[in-house]
Amino acid sequence: DVKVTQSSRYLVKRTGEKVFLECVQDMDHENMFWYRQDPGLGLRLIYFSYDVKMKEKGDIPEGYSVSREKKERFSLILESASTSQTSMYLCASMAVDYGYTFGSGTRLTVV
Amino acid sequence: QKEVEQNSGPLSVPEGAIASLNCTYSDRGSQSFFWYRQYSGKSPELIMSIYSNGDKEDGRFTAQLNKASQYVSLLIRDSQPSDSATYLCAVNVGTYKYIFGTGTRLKVLA
Repeated sequence: DVKVTQSSRYLVKRTGEKVFLECVQDMDHENMFWYRQDPGLGLRLIYFSYDVKMKEKGDIPEGYSVSREKKERFSLILESASTSQTSMYLCASMAVDYGYTFGSGTRLTVV
Repeated sequence: QKEVEQNSGPLSVPEGAIASLNCTYSDRGSQSFFWYRQYSGKSPELIMSIYSNGDKEDGRFTAQLNKASQYVSLLIRDSQPSDSATYLCAVNVGTYKYIFGTGTRLKVLA
């Protein structure tokens, strides 16, 4: 089974902090994604990457950046955390046309 | 703006009944369609994919696709309380990019 591992299940950070969310997959997939999920808004794509060092903006990239230095690792960075970024963050990995495999999620609270 | 629409529910069905979940999408170029199940507090898990018009069956699950009408549905036969979850429809809007609906909450009553 494809495994997608997110480094933290719960995080509490202060406004203005730089926050790193890490994601690692073990199936050699080229494609990796970061979503956030909020009640009533569903899953919204922040960034995705289809190859090492390649990245594409999703629908809501503002306030975020990403890094993909190795194929198996895709990091989401909140440059200066704000309370509006309190959310569930989901990383996913995909082989094309086989659907996503999601990590267990990181629930981030910014205070 | 490309969209995927789902009725938020809750959809309540008695145990043993057929649950019917529906999804409409706006992008006529979409080719890949997925259904995910998400239990409360957990991440989504893939349960079905469908790419061609018609029905695709996998155990108690049947996915139905009608590209002309731009809808995809999921039927769950012999519904069990363990099927109670939120079901998310996802549709591709590019090679790598998918849009999710906000999900339909299903409650199976014992």
